[in-house]
Amino acid sequence: KAGVTQTPRYLIKTRGQQVTLSCSPISGHRSVSWYQQTPGQGLQFLFEYFSETQRNKGNFPGRFSGRQFSNSRSEMNVSTLELGDSALYLCASSGGTRNGEQFFGPGTRLTVL
Amino acid sequence: AQSVTQLDSHVSVSEGTPVLLRCNYSSSYSPSLFWYVQHPNKGLQLLLKYTSAATLVKGINGFEAEFKKSETSFHLTKPSAHMSDAAEYFCVVTPDRGSTLGRLYFGRGTQLTVWP
Repeated sequence: KAGVTQTPRYLIKTRGQQVTLSCSPISGHRSVSWYQQTPGQGLQFLFEYFSETQRNKGNFPGRFSGRQFSNSRSEMNVSTLELGDSALYLCASSGGTRNGEQFFGPGTRLTVL
Repeated sequence: AQSVTQLDSHVSVSEGTPVLLRCNYSSSYSPSLFWYVQHPNKGLQLLLKYTSAATLVKGINGFEAEFKKSETSFHLTKPSAHMSDAAEYFCVVTPDRGSTLGRLYFGRGTQLTVWP
C-alpha cells in the first residue's frame, strides 16, 4: 500500500509570491491534515479536511488555505509569502476516526527568500 | 484544553543503555496519546499509541510507553538503545471528543543522541 505522498519535496519562493502544495493520502483514507514545522514553533496544526469539508482549523492567518478533492487529495495554498513561512509542511492522512493514528508524508520544505 | 510537555529537549545515551524520554500531557477529555519519531529529512513515523486500552503500550523497534493517569504522564522507554534510534521524538495528544477532535497536539520534541 503506497504511503502519503507530497509534492513538491522542496520549493524556493520569494516574499510576496504564493505557493500551492499537494498531498495524496493513503488509498481509502478520507481525512487529510496539514501541519507546519519550524525550529521556533515546533509542529503546529493548520487544518483538517474530511470528505472535501474543512473539519478543523488551527490558528493561522487567512493567507493559509486549503481544499480537498473528491479523490481525497488535498492542496494547501499560502498567499503573499513572508520570510516566516519558511518551514517544513507535513501532510497526514487517516481513516477519519477522530482519535485514530495519522500517517505522515515526507513533507515539503518551503524556503522563502 | 490540550497540551503536551516533553521534559527534555535533548537526551544522550550510550549504545546498549536504557532510554527514557519523558512526556506529561494535559487534556480536557480522555486522551489518545502517541509517540512519533522523525529521522533527519524524513516525515513522522508512529512508534506507538494509547487509546484507553492497556496502560502499558508496546510499539515498534522495542519501544514501549506507560500511561499513568494519576501523573498525567506517558513516558517512552527502551531497554537498550541502538545507534539507529538517534532521531527526534514527539509526544502527541488528541482528545476523544470536543471541538478539536481529530487534531494532534505535539510536544516540542526530544532529540535523542546515541553514542557508540
